[in-house]
Amino acid sequence: GQNIDQPTEMTATEGAIVQINCTYQTSGFNGLFWYQQHAGEAPTFLSYNVLDGLEEKGRFSSFLSRSKGYSYLLLKELQMKDSASYLCAVLDSNYQLIWGAGTKLIIKP
Amino acid sequence: ETGVTQTPRHLVMGMTNKKSLKCEQHLGHNAMYWYKQSAKKPLELMFVYSLEERVENNSVPSRFSPECPNSSHLFLHLHTLQPEDSALYLCASSQGRDRGADEQFFGPGTRLTVL
Repeated sequence: GQNIDQPTEMTATEGAIVQINCTYQTSGFNGLFWYQQHAGEAPTFLSYNVLDGLEEKGRFSSFLSRSKGYSYLLLKELQMKDSASYLCAVLDSNYQLIWGAGTKLIIKP
Repeated sequence: ETGVTQTPRHLVMGMTNKKSLKCEQHLGHNAMYWYKQSAKKPLELMFVYSLEERVENNSVPSRFSPECPNSSHLFLHLHTLQPEDSALYLCASSQGRDRGADEQFFGPGTRLTVL
């Protein structure tokens, strides 16, 4: 079967750095997405990786290793507004998006 | 109105009721999606429409019936639902290029409770 694994919950301190991991086992691979979802709100797009390596976008970076079936989202200089769930999703060989259950990130002052 | 809108935002219905969820996108996109989001579970893709044609139906029970009258509007008709259907129903749209490798824009969702 197809599977996306990410931690259920993480806690970090304001101003610090946090890394949210995502591992996947899918039938084929056509890219990996990260979305942010604040409680009670719609998910919003953060990043898309299809090649190995690190993509940086301001305070957020996303890394992909296709050979390891692994990605991470790195958040720097954490702010209270970064408290949210972070969803990892993989586009499989049929171009179907397979979603993880999300990681709830709690930021403490 | 901008982005993706959904109405109603909250819905409580009995198991014998018939109701409809509405989604509208103002982004000029060609693809629209219905998702079900239950607590602590992955997003479940229910239906995909591309250029008003249904291209995916992920084994969804027939008590859920989608309708896409044009590329800007998407409906989900609900009939004789079960309590386990209580969830957040999200609509999304995308340009529909790159066979799914484009970002999806989500609406705020409809929180559905089935009594």
